[in-house]
Amino acid sequence: GENVEQHPSTLSVQEGDSAVIKCTYSDSASNYFPWYKQELGKRPQLIIDIRSNVGEKKDQRIAVTLNKTAKHFSLHITETQPEDSAVYFCAASSKAAGNKLTFGGGTRVLVKP
Amino acid sequence: GAVVSQHPSWVICKSGTSVKIECRSLDFQATTMFWYRQFPKQSLMLMATSNEGSKATYEQGVEKDKFLINHASLTLSTLTVTSAHPEDSSFYICSAGGQGGAYEQYFGPGTRLTVT
Repeated sequence: GENVEQHPSTLSVQEGDSAVIKCTYSDSASNYFPWYKQELGKRPQLIIDIRSNVGEKKDQRIAVTLNKTAKHFSLHITETQPEDSAVYFCAASSKAAGNKLTFGGGTRVLVKP
Repeated sequence: GAVVSQHPSWVICKSGTSVKIECRSLDFQATTMFWYRQFPKQSLMLMATSNEGSKATYEQGVEKDKFLINHASLTLSTLTVTSAHPEDSSFYICSAGGQGGAYEQYFGPGTRLTVT
């Protein structure tokens, strides 16, 4: 089955700086890669996603890049703000596996004002 | 966007009793629903995939007789934790599969289960 690894597990940045989180996956059949933000006790919230036919996607301060050959994808947050502090999860899925999401271990991001 | 609700949002039960959690898709028909468990400071782990009108598919290591899943309609799936033990205390989250086979999943708000 799919295995997703996520690094780093914690990330502390100064407000205004950029944050980068990296994930690798094992199943070459995976073709959908969402990123979620989760605040304590709340549901995961989709912040951006990318499909395997695209190498990069951007939405305001958030961008995701995908390298299918190397089987890794990354989340980039620019101009970080204190409200960006949360736990971020990457995930991967494929139609072949019934669209099941396999999550990375999570990254706890702290943006210091 | 699609809305998924869960009930209850939190529940406390005694060891040995059973607890039922409901997951509803409010504004779309979900042929597939997923159940996840999340322990404190850990990631979401898929427990099972539930398809309307058929038996759930459980992930390796998840006891199907302990975690009973029913998906009786296109808008409702239930998870029953039977003979609950303190180690079953966790955050249980459901999600509904994207409409028309789309990739995106829509998550419920989660249910905090505490077994005493």
